[in-house]
Parts: sequence; structure tokens; C-alpha cells
Amino acid sequence: DTAVSQTPKYLVTQMGNDKSIKCEQNLGHDTMYWYKQDSKKFLKIMFSYNNKELIINETVPNRFSPKSPDKAHLNLHINSLELGDSAVYFCASSQAREGRRFEQYFGPGTRLTVT
Amino acid sequence: AQSVTQLDSHVSVSEGTPVLLRCNYSSSYSPSLFWYVQHPNKGLQLLLKYTSAATLVKGINGFEAEFKKSETSFHLTKPSAHMSDAAEYFCVVSESGYNKLIFGAGTRLAVHP
Repeated sequence: DTAVSQTPKYLVTQMGNDKSIKCEQNLGHDTMYWYKQDSKKFLKIMFSYNNKELIINETVPNRFSPKSPDKAHLNLHINSLELGDSAVYFCASSQAREGRRFEQYFGPGTRLTVT
Repeated sequence: AQSVTQLDSHVSVSEGTPVLLRCNYSSSYSPSLFWYVQHPNKGLQLLLKYTSAATLVKGINGFEAEFKKSETSFHLTKPSAHMSDAAEYFCVVSESGYNKLIFGAGTRLAVHP
């Protein structure tokens, strides 16, 4: 019973390609996120959706486009991949309930390598 | 703006000895603070959280942390390290109102026999 799942786990692709990473949560949460972890392990938020509505959009190139078909799914599509996009991408989810508002549960990550 | 500083990038301890991972935060609001652990090639797991209740917070696997507002600190401790504790630990502060987590740079904990 995986709470937050991501596919694929590994993704190797060439510069200029377009790729997608999928995320699903079965926790019944109403908020989902994408984070990027660089080669130095630094984690930074990219996007957040609450009930399919975009609520956080950090300074991310517009080649990155999140899509939330329903509140259990948040996919990340990346156009025209660049070498600097190589990183581990984590999906997370949380429930906006008082007292547990900020507790986020993370998926296993997707390691993207752009060659 | 909120920020987190993890004072040590690497900590090395012997099995059975105490663990101390240091974290200082900066926040304009009453913060929520967390510690997450990441084992090699794994996702992030929540160890413990502080959300304005008791200042001494107990987490999983024997870890605990104390919120000290006067020192703006939230250090993570464990009385006796186990080999399985070797991992990367992240101190995290939440940005009020938007569920946005701000991560520290991480502390790599090594545990030696």
C-alpha cells in the first residue's frame, strides 16, 4: 500500500526531448507538490496544487508544466529538456487540516538524467 | 522570509553513542518545524514535527527534538545511534499559510561500528 507513488523511478533521456513524470497519492489528501533535489541534495519546491488549483508556482522555467487531472494525481511535464534538468524529482502530498496542515508525505522520487 | 541553517554538513558517531544534529531557523511567524530523513536512494520520511504544541517533540526510531524560541533552534537528538540511522537528515520550516516547506541543506550522518 504505497501512499505516494511516482513513475518512472528512473528516466534517462536526451537533450531537447519532452518527458512526463506521474504522481499518485492514495491518502485522500487535497494538496500535492513537486520538489526538485539537485546533485548537492538541496531540495526546493517547484509547484503546489490544492484541489486541482495551482497555489504555489516558484521561479521555474515555463518548460515545466504541472497538470492535476484530479486531486489524487499531479503530473509533471517537461519540454525541451536541458542538461541542468538532471535531478531527482519528488512528489509529495498533504491535507490542509488544522494542526496537521504542513505535514507532507513524499514519494520515492524520480531520478532524471539528461544526456 | 523563512530560512533554515543546518550547522553541520557531516556528522560522524560511533554506534551506541549520542547523536546531535543542529538546526537554526529564521521565521517572521510562529513556525512549524520538521525533521525528515532520507536513506540512500530513497524518498523522504518524516521523523518528527513541531506545530506549536509541546516544545519537546518525540519522533520515530528514538529521535527527539526541542524547539527553543529564544535560541531559534530545533536540534535533533538520539541517545544511542544505530547503524541503520546512517542517512541524510533535513531540518525544514514551513512558510505560513501556503504549505510551503523550506529545506535546510542537509546533514549526512555516518555511524561507525
